[in-house]
Order: sequence, then C-alpha cells, then structure tokens
Amino acid sequence: EVQVVESGGDLVRPGGSLRLSCEASGFTFSRYWMHWVRQAPGKGLVWVSGIDADERSIGSADSVRGRFTISRDNGKNTLYLQMDDLRLEDTAVYYCLRENRASGGNWFDPWGPGTLVTVSS
Amino acid sequence: DIQMTQSPPSLSASVGDRVTITCRASEFVSTFVNWYQHRPGTVPKLLIFAASSLQSGVPSRFSGGRSGTEFTLTISGLQPEDFATYYCQQSYSGPRTFGQGTRLDMK
Repeated sequence: EVQVVESGGDLVRPGGSLRLSCEASGFTFSRYWMHWVRQAPGKGLVWVSGIDADERSIGSADSVRGRFTISRDNGKNTLYLQMDDLRLEDTAVYYCLRENRASGGNWFDPWGPGTLVTVSS
Repeated sequence: DIQMTQSPPSLSASVGDRVTITCRASEFVSTFVNWYQHRPGTVPKLLIFAASSLQSGVPSRFSGGRSGTEFTLTISGLQPEDFATYYCQQSYSGPRTFGQGTRLDMK
C-alpha cells in the first residue's frame, strides 16, 4: 500500500525550531517529487515547499522562505521539513505529499494523516 | 507565482442538486489543475487530476472541465457525503498553489 506518515509535530514557543519527518512506504520514494502543504485552523490548504527527486528544492512559499528548509534522505525513504524561527501563524496541520507526474498533469496523492504544529507562548 | 481564484467561497445546495465550482488561473496552466475534497475530521482526498481525469474510486457524479484558464468541478446529483470543502490546485509550474476553497453545505 502506498503510504506517507508524518511525525514530529509539537507545541513550541515563538522563535523556536522543529523538524518534521515523513516516512514513505509502498513506492520507490527516490523517483518522486515530494511536497509539504499546511492547513491552519479554520483556513484553507497552503503549499509550503517542494523538492525534486534529485534532492533539489523547487522553492518555498513566501511566508516561510528563509525559515523553513525541505530535504530528503532517499536511502531512508524520508522527507523532512526543518522549521526555524517559528511564528504564531505557523500553527497548522502539516501534510506530506507525493507528487504524481504525467504528461498532462501533476497531482498530490496519497495524503497522510498530517502532524499538528502549535506555536504558542 | 500563478494564482488560482476560486468561486464561490460558499454554496448552499440540496441532495440531488447539480452544482458547479469554478477556478480561474492567472496565467496559462494547460491541463495541470486538480480538485480535492476535504470533509471535517478527515484528510483531503483527490477527486480530479489533469483537469478532467477522475481519480480511481471517485463516483462518476464528479466531473472536471476546462476552457482556457477557467476550470470547473461539477457534482451532478449531490449526495449527503458530498457536503464538504473543495479546493482547486495548479501544478503547472513553481509553487503548487491552491484556490481559496469552496464550502458546500446543505440548504
């Protein structure tokens, strides 16, 4: 079964750091682009950052650029999100996504359960 | 960055109705638009990919369309389980931007 499972979410103070992990199984992780998407309480889905199969970042959202770093370890089938200088507005459920790529489109599937990051003093 | 403008923000409908949600891309995105459903207490679910391809296991009452940079999600014959929030997303280039979402609730 194709699966991604996020972990590492926690309660953290403003200005603090956290590293999220996403363990992939059931597919050849090293062949896929991967992304992080978040959803703040009561808000919509927001793309955070992405990385290609060769471990090159494809960019980050303006709101997290310079504070969040995406990386991956293809040998461990794991995606990471290093989050530094956390702000109250980073409070959200964070999802790890596999990007399926074809000639006519790219799409996110499957969705993991997500991991909750709460930034609060 | 490509922007996705989704409308309406909310929609009230009844079981059996036909509803359409629209997303307009700020520039050319070919067919690289997807639609997701998010029910409270669950994780988002892929419905339509590549503008009009139905994801495996998704009921055929869901359909996607494209006219230039305007994309539509149509639900024909609403069922009780369809009341949820729907998001479009572009994956043509750069940040994989989502629309603001459309909340579909029961009239």
